[in-house]
Amino acid sequence: GAVVSQHPSRVICKSGTSVKIECRSLDFQATTMFWYRQFPKQSLMLMATSNEGSKATYEQGVEKDKFLINHASLTLSTLTVTSAHPEDSSFYICSARRAEFYEQYFGPGTRLTVT
Amino acid sequence: GQSLEQPSEVTAVEGAIVQINCTYQTSGFYGLSWYQQHDGGAPTFLSYNALDGLEETGRFSSFLSRSDSYGYLLLQELQMKDSASYFCAVTLLPPGSARQLTFGSGTQLTVLP
Repeated sequence: GAVVSQHPSRVICKSGTSVKIECRSLDFQATTMFWYRQFPKQSLMLMATSNEGSKATYEQGVEKDKFLINHASLTLSTLTVTSAHPEDSSFYICSARRAEFYEQYFGPGTRLTVT
Repeated sequence: GQSLEQPSEVTAVEGAIVQINCTYQTSGFYGLSWYQQHDGGAPTFLSYNALDGLEETGRFSSFLSRSDSYGYLLLQELQMKDSASYFCAVTLLPPGSARQLTFGSGTQLTVLP
């Protein structure tokens, strides 16, 4: 149990376009989902925390108008990178958590390359 | 702010024992987790300590000392497949917020034959 999927696994887009990444909890209801970004050989940096049905809480330095997060249901959260630029190229990972447990279950990640 | 310190690299041979230390300075500390991440993959949960002491899960053990703001991950009987990055992560409990994870910078473990 506790499987989290992400789609797509890899995406290449042109500079200026927008990209949507989906994160789904397949066998449990996730009241909270987290979005991380990881650059090569670096740690996971939390971008935002989203609770179902409410606005996401963004970490300092993360532009909420650029990284749009929607957590419309207990099993789906989406991250839209708007007007992508090459510096947005990174590994984006989501995680999901049941309300009563501390453990976060991570998705397989999405490799975004902006050309 | 929050900070976690762990060694950047560790190398050991198959069958050996290795310890990866993690020291932290955070507010709202709730517990210490350890995650394994292979190149290009997602982090996978290894262990969690909320109380002082040692937690054992098969070949992996994790230790926490809250008074010292210190923990470690102990890997025994190393196997080649253990070559990966290992992250310590602090679970925070900021008032009014969902519990969050703050990750350390990661330790790249290389297991040699």
